[in-house]
Amino acid sequence: GAVVSQHPSWVICKSGTSVKIECRSLDFQATTMFWYRQFPKQSLMLMATSNEGSKATYEQGVEKDKFLINHASLTLSTLTVTSAHPEDSSFYICSARDQTASGGGELFFGEGSRLTVL
Amino acid sequence: EDKVVQSPLSLVVHEGDTVTLNCSYEVTNFRSLLWYKQEKKAPTFLFMLTSSGIEKKSGRLSSILDKKELFSILNITATQTGDSAIYLCAVGHAGNNRKLIWGLGTSLAVNP
Repeated sequence: GAVVSQHPSWVICKSGTSVKIECRSLDFQATTMFWYRQFPKQSLMLMATSNEGSKATYEQGVEKDKFLINHASLTLSTLTVTSAHPEDSSFYICSARDQTASGGGELFFGEGSRLTVL
Repeated sequence: EDKVVQSPLSLVVHEGDTVTLNCSYEVTNFRSLLWYKQEKKAPTFLFMLTSSGIEKKSGRLSSILDKKELFSILNITATQTGDSAIYLCAVGHAGNNRKLIWGLGTSLAVNP
C-alpha cells in the first residue's frame, strides 16, 4: 500500500533555531499534503494544506511566517518551524492523499515527528 | 462552524467486552466519514464511510453511518488488550482539498 515517510521522527533543538520536517510520498504522487499538530491527549489539529507548486493554505490561527511550508514536488512537502520556542514542542504529523486510488483516494499518514524545543 | 463530536472521551473495559464508540457531526458539504486508530504514533486507517446504512466490517471491527441523523458508530466485539488505543473520527469535506475535520477521539483501554 501507499506509504508516507516523515523525517526526522524525533528532534530536539535549542530555542531560537529553525527545524525542518520532511514528508514524502514514497510510491504515489500527492498534489495535496496536510500538516497536523497534536498535543498530548488531544485530536489532530490541521495546521495547513500544502499544495504542490503553489502557496500553502493555512488554518485560522496558524502563523504562516512561523510555520513555513514548501511543496516543491509531487512527492515532497516540508514544514519548517522557524525560531522555535518551547511552546512549539509538539507532535507534527503529515498526510498525503493517493488521488489515483479508487474510492476517492485514501489518506495516508506519516509516522509523525516529535519536536522538543529546549 | 463545522464540528465532529466523539463520545465517550474515554472508556475502560475488560477483555472480551463489546464496545460501541460514537461520532456525531455537523459539517457542511459532507463527503465521507473516516475512522482511525491511533496508538503511539500516527493514525492508521480503519474505515471510510460514504453511504448511509451500509455496514463495513474488518474482523472484530465494524462501522456504520447514518447521514440523516449525522452520526456513525464503531463497534469492537470480543475486545483484546491490543485494541487499546485512541479511536479518531474525521469527516471529510467535498471541496477541492477535501480536508478533514477531526473529533477529539475516544481513548479505549482494554484490561486483561
